[in-house]
Amino acid sequence: ETGVTQTPRHLVMGMTNKKSLKCEQHLGHNAMYWYKQSAKKPLELMFVYNFKEQTENNSVPSRFSPECPNSSHLFLHLHTLQPEDSALYLCASSQARVGGTDTQYFGPGTRLTVL
Amino acid sequence: QKEVEQDPGPLSVPEGAIVSLNCTYSNSAFQYFMWYRQYSRKGPELLMYTYSSGNKEDGRFTAQVDKSSKYISLFIRDSQPSDSATYLCAMSAPDFGNEKLTFGTGTRLTIIP
Repeated sequence: ETGVTQTPRHLVMGMTNKKSLKCEQHLGHNAMYWYKQSAKKPLELMFVYNFKEQTENNSVPSRFSPECPNSSHLFLHLHTLQPEDSALYLCASSQARVGGTDTQYFGPGTRLTVL
Repeated sequence: QKEVEQDPGPLSVPEGAIVSLNCTYSNSAFQYFMWYRQYSRKGPELLMYTYSSGNKEDGRFTAQVDKSSKYISLFIRDSQPSDSATYLCAMSAPDFGNEKLTFGTGTRLTIIP
């Protein structure tokens, strides 16, 4: 596997279900990100992990719970979601460094539908 | 006012035409500017990356940044059907080990054979 992989690619869940999205990066990066992409809206940054520590939580509802056990893996745990949470969830990674900006590499995304 | 404005399109042009895609922004702290291409059912992939003002060329693609006008452009020469995708502009300000990109909404482009 190369780059950034995400599983599952598609997920349909009811509002009372609990599910998890998984992301894995094979690039040796030290920062990982979760984004939400909805139709006709800009990509919304949800969470940032830097060296496994959460450095950003962009006012995301608590029904989304991230987990970063190591610098290669990132999870997004979902519970009691709402239909408006239906979107494409993208994971990205980069090599974070002081004072600069490095390229973010994106995974293919998980298309989530909440019924 | 949105931090980054981008016309969502859709934009349709004939094959071989020159395509111009644009974004405007309001945050003068932005210094890094990127264009991502996103094919249907795929994640965004980095196409061009520029720092501060000026032009950058890569094959058929040219990125321009005008910081005085807070305006960035992506030009595609000799456009091909394979260029049909959504193009996202993104930008960021220098930060210490914590990169945060601000994206435009994306412009959906179709190249007609």
